[in-house]
Amino acid sequence: NAGVTQTPKFQVLKTGQSMTLQCAQDMNHEYMSWYRQDPGMGLRLIHYSVGAGITDQGEVPNGYNVSRSTTEDFPLRLLLAAPSQTSVYFCASSYSPDRGLSPLHFGNGTRLTVT
Amino acid sequence: DQQVKQNSPSLSVQEGRISILNCDYTNSMFDYFLWYKKYPAEGPTFLISISSIKDKNEDGRFTVFLNKSAKHLSLHIVPSQPGDSAVYFCAATGGGNKLTFGTGTQLKVEL
Repeated sequence: NAGVTQTPKFQVLKTGQSMTLQCAQDMNHEYMSWYRQDPGMGLRLIHYSVGAGITDQGEVPNGYNVSRSTTEDFPLRLLLAAPSQTSVYFCASSYSPDRGLSPLHFGNGTRLTVT
Repeated sequence: DQQVKQNSPSLSVQEGRISILNCDYTNSMFDYFLWYKKYPAEGPTFLISISSIKDKNEDGRFTVFLNKSAKHLSLHIVPSQPGDSAVYFCAATGGGNKLTFGTGTQLKVEL
């Protein structure tokens, strides 16, 4: 059981470059989301999706784009990377969008550094 | 504005003793609380949860206590084991898909 798979594990970008963080899950979960973890800030929600073709903004969406063309995949795009986007990014999924009904399953993260 | 606070960044406990991790919240709309555990270079994993209609939930060595009047919850680990050494995140939700996390507490269980 792969669960939630994130690639790459590490990435270094220069300011202004773009990249896509990949996330795939094999649990047939309808709900998928992206979080970033920064020191002293906990995990903050960037974008989420409650099903294929449906996405919405979370707490800190600026500078990021997402799409959900299939149930399995939920890529996160950085169009113009900035040093403030240096962080650890986690993709998470669950069978229900209701946080009281089903806990999130997290991937192992992508550590991104923007210089 | 940090709605979920874990005021102790770190905690050190001896193996076999009790570990108590604390969490405070400010939003009275929160009605469901969760604890996640995170090892280095891994994603958080769900540990235990509690609904606001309860004041205690137990799962093996892990027990979560909720004090709604004080807006406080705690995670008790008894007995603590070296494998419990990890970062513990408290999280809360008021329904829907939004989950608010605390900043985490690094637990170290020493031999």
